[in-house]
Amino acid sequence: TQLLEQSPQFLSIQEGENLTVYCNSSSVFSSLQWYRQEPGEGPVLLVTVVTGGEVKKLKRLTFQFGDARKDSSLHITAAQPGDTGLYLCAGALSGGYQKVTFGIGTKLQVIP
Amino acid sequence: DSGVTQTPKHLITATGQRVTLRCSPRSGDLSVYWYQQSLDQGLQFLIQYYNGEERAKGNILERFSAQQFPDLHSELNLSSLELGDSALYFCASSVVGDGEKLFFGSGTQLSVL
Repeated sequence: TQLLEQSPQFLSIQEGENLTVYCNSSSVFSSLQWYRQEPGEGPVLLVTVVTGGEVKKLKRLTFQFGDARKDSSLHITAAQPGDTGLYLCAGALSGGYQKVTFGIGTKLQVIP
Repeated sequence: DSGVTQTPKHLITATGQRVTLRCSPRSGDLSVYWYQQSLDQGLQFLIQYYNGEERAKGNILERFSAQQFPDLHSELNLSSLELGDSALYFCASSVVGDGEKLFFGSGTQLSVL
């Protein structure tokens, strides 16, 4: 059982489409991070959200932290082939130093 | 380039053997994390060190051990290797130990034959 559940696990869309991926938990997190990983490489940090209800934008990517700090979403507008990759959410539980847990990821393929 | 260096990049060995994976964190980062990534399990947290001391432990097998040295580099030792240990092993570092911003190396692909 994953502490952080990501959905969908696989997503294949056409270039120009919009998409949203979700990261859900029953636990409260002090912060949540989103990473993107390409084959043969380590994950690369995209954003950290800290405050419940927080929304952050990174070009065509919009990240939201749930009000209760238990979930997060990533929305991509007008997806491009360069967005292809594995999107991972990660978080540390509230209450001091805790192990950082990752979701299993959403594998996104954007078809030209 | 994340600034985190992992060696070797690929490792092929036989069951029952022992291997050592090495990680040099980004300059100035005090915390090192080790993760195992497999297709069915995703990124599984193994262990975290902060300034030489073990800070948190995850699903690390007793056959595995790690340490962080005074110069802050870390080693992950895997012994009595089994076929199921084949995976990508990642090291990550952060400035502080709260895991908010992890910088990952490129990983070591371990193949146990």
